[in-house]
Amino acid sequence: DTAVSQTPKYLVTQMGNDKSIKCEQNLGHDTMYWYKQDSKKFLKIMFSYNNKELIINETVPNRFSPKSPDKAHLNLHINSLELGDSAVYFCASAGGGGNQPQHFGDGTRLSIL
Amino acid sequence: DAKTTQPTSMDCAEGRAANLPCNHSTISGNEYVYWYRQIHSQGPQYIIHGLKNNETNEMASLIITEDRKSSTLILPHATLRDTAVYYCIVRVAGDYKLSFGAGTTVTVRA
Repeated sequence: DTAVSQTPKYLVTQMGNDKSIKCEQNLGHDTMYWYKQDSKKFLKIMFSYNNKELIINETVPNRFSPKSPDKAHLNLHINSLELGDSAVYFCASAGGGGNQPQHFGDGTRLSIL
Repeated sequence: DAKTTQPTSMDCAEGRAANLPCNHSTISGNEYVYWYRQIHSQGPQYIIHGLKNNETNEMASLIITEDRKSSTLILPHATLRDTAVYYCIVRVAGDYKLSFGAGTTVTVRA
């Protein structure tokens, strides 16, 4: 029973397509995150939701739209995919406000052809 | 806007203690020191965090200097499975954000 699970694990698609990545956590946490890890291996936060409300949006292009249907899910939809979107996307969750450690999923490897 | 400085890489021998240094000379009074690691092809994994006092859990120990300007993560008996990138992160109390730097690539050798 994985704590933070992402689907799909791998996603290969063509430039210009629209795709979604799903994330679910079974830890009962209130806060969920999306991070991007590029080819240089730097991890950067993209979005954070707390109780289904957006609290962090780190100047991400508006082609990226997170959606949180409930506290346990935070999905990431990407429109008009570009070559530069190729990366590993990690979902994370945390409880108890900003002081609690974040728990990460194993990532979705997105490759744009 | 890195708030921490870590060595790029280090090797350690299996079964020995691994001591990972981190400098955070501009740390504020309300900032915690967090350590995460990322094993190849996995998501980051929380290890330990502290404010002023030394901390220990089942994975590691965290030693924070009295002036809080540096810290050391200690893996008491390194195994091959501890090979990973280790991130030292300074985080304001109540801040939802984690800012990852380049980390230290630790290679445990048999």
